Amino acid sequence: GENVEQHPSTLSVQEGDSAVIKCTYSDSASNYFPWYKQELGKRPQLIIDIRSNVGEKKDQRIAVTLNKTAKHFSLHITETQPEDSAVYFCAAMETSYDKVIFGPGTSLSVIP
Amino acid sequence: ETGVTQSPTHLIKTRGQQVTLRCSSQSGHNTVSWYQQALGQGPQFIFQYYREEENGRGNFPPRFSGLQFPNYSSELNVNALELDDSALYLCASSLQTSGSREQYFGPGTRLTVT
Repeated sequence: GENVEQHPSTLSVQEGDSAVIKCTYSDSASNYFPWYKQELGKRPQLIIDIRSNVGEKKDQRIAVTLNKTAKHFSLHITETQPEDSAVYFCAAMETSYDKVIFGPGTSLSVIP
Repeated sequence: ETGVTQSPTHLIKTRGQQVTLRCSSQSGHNTVSWYQQALGQGPQFIFQYYREEENGRGNFPPRFSGLQFPNYSSELNVNALELDDSALYLCASSLQTSGSREQYFGPGTRLTVT
C-alpha cells in the first residue's frame, strides 16, 4: 500500500523567510496530492492540492511542486507570517477509490 | 469553516464498551471518509462510504464499522473499545466526480478510553 514520508518533522523560521516541506510517496498509482494545515485543536484545513498531470501550482504565498518520476512533492510558503504556524500534512490519494494516506506532519513555527 | 459537522465533540468511555460517532457531510457531497488521528500523528484512514456502501478500508480491525444514510450522513461504530482507541476521530466529506477529489474535514470527536 501507499506510504507517505514527510520532512522535516519540525521547522522554525523567521517571519518573512520561506519554508519548504518535502514529501515522498511510494505508490506510482497515486495521482492526487493535497496539503492540509492543522492548527492546535482544530480540524485539518485543505490549503492547496496538485494533480499528477501538473508539475507546479501556486496560490498567493503558497506553491506546490510535484516530481512524478522521483515520487516527490513539496510545499513552499514564502513571506511567512506568525499565523502560518501550525502542523502541515502532505497526503497522497489513488483516485480510483479515494483512500487518502497522510504523512506524519511538519510542525512549523514562524518566529516574529 | 466547512459545512461538515460531527457529534459529540468529546466522549469518555471505558475499555470494552461500544461507541457511535456521527458525521453530517457538506451539502451536495456524497462520500464520507473516516480517519483516526492519534496525538502528534497524521490522520489514519479507517474507511470510506459512497452511496451507502463501504468503498475502501484501511488497516483497522472489524470492530470498527460504519454506516452511511440516504442523506449521506454517516456513523462510525467501534466495539470492544481498547485504550489505544483514544484519539481524535475525523470525518471528511467529498463529492465523487471525475475531476473533484477535495475532502473537507469536520471538527472531530475526541474519544478517551479509560
